[in-house]
Amino acid sequence: DAKTTQPPSMDCAEGRAANLPCNHSTISGNEYVYWYRQIHSQGPQYIIHGLKNNETNEMASLIITEDRKSSTLILPHATLRDTAVYYCIVRVFTGTASKLTFGTGTRLQVTL
Amino acid sequence: GAVVSQHPSWVICKSGTSVKIECRSLDFQATTMFWYRQFPKQSLMLMATSNEGSKATYEQGVEKDKFLINHASLTLSTLTVTSAHPEDSSFYICSARDLRGETQYFGPGTRLLVL
Repeated sequence: DAKTTQPPSMDCAEGRAANLPCNHSTISGNEYVYWYRQIHSQGPQYIIHGLKNNETNEMASLIITEDRKSSTLILPHATLRDTAVYYCIVRVFTGTASKLTFGTGTRLQVTL
Repeated sequence: GAVVSQHPSWVICKSGTSVKIECRSLDFQATTMFWYRQFPKQSLMLMATSNEGSKATYEQGVEKDKFLINHASLTLSTLTVTSAHPEDSSFYICSARDLRGETQYFGPGTRLLVL
């Protein structure tokens, strides 16, 4: 699976949009971009995933560049409960051999 | 939907004893389950991948005789830490992938402390 690069930490004011970038310049054509987050002392929580089109769900939006070498996770109105470590992971979609490999992620701190 | 549970959430044991951790997918079937370990202030490290009815595949450096994995049904996988030692103290997290293979869901984790 391709490696990803994320900033180690970011701050965001409550109520504002949090934009978390991820670089995955070596992504292959059959690899999807997944985002998870881990709130302190809990298991990771699935947020969203996509291949090449932008995606939106009730939690967030995922913007993938046309060349697919980078993406941005957008939390439209961050709250204190969004404080967590956010992981961007690329993964082959199919096959029993595909698996999620976690990097170091971005620690997002939402402040008042 | 897509809930994964783990039991127990906390376990303290003496050195040399064995500990079993259960992982269940509550509202979906999972042909593939994963076991991760996380040390303080570190990221998750994949230990092994288990497929229902077959032997688990262990990542490099993970002792298969020490970390026994059983995946006997589409909703249950167990991890047994045999002859646990203090260095096995960690946060163990399981994950289950739905039958379509599209998304992996994680359990809340089990914190193991070996004295």
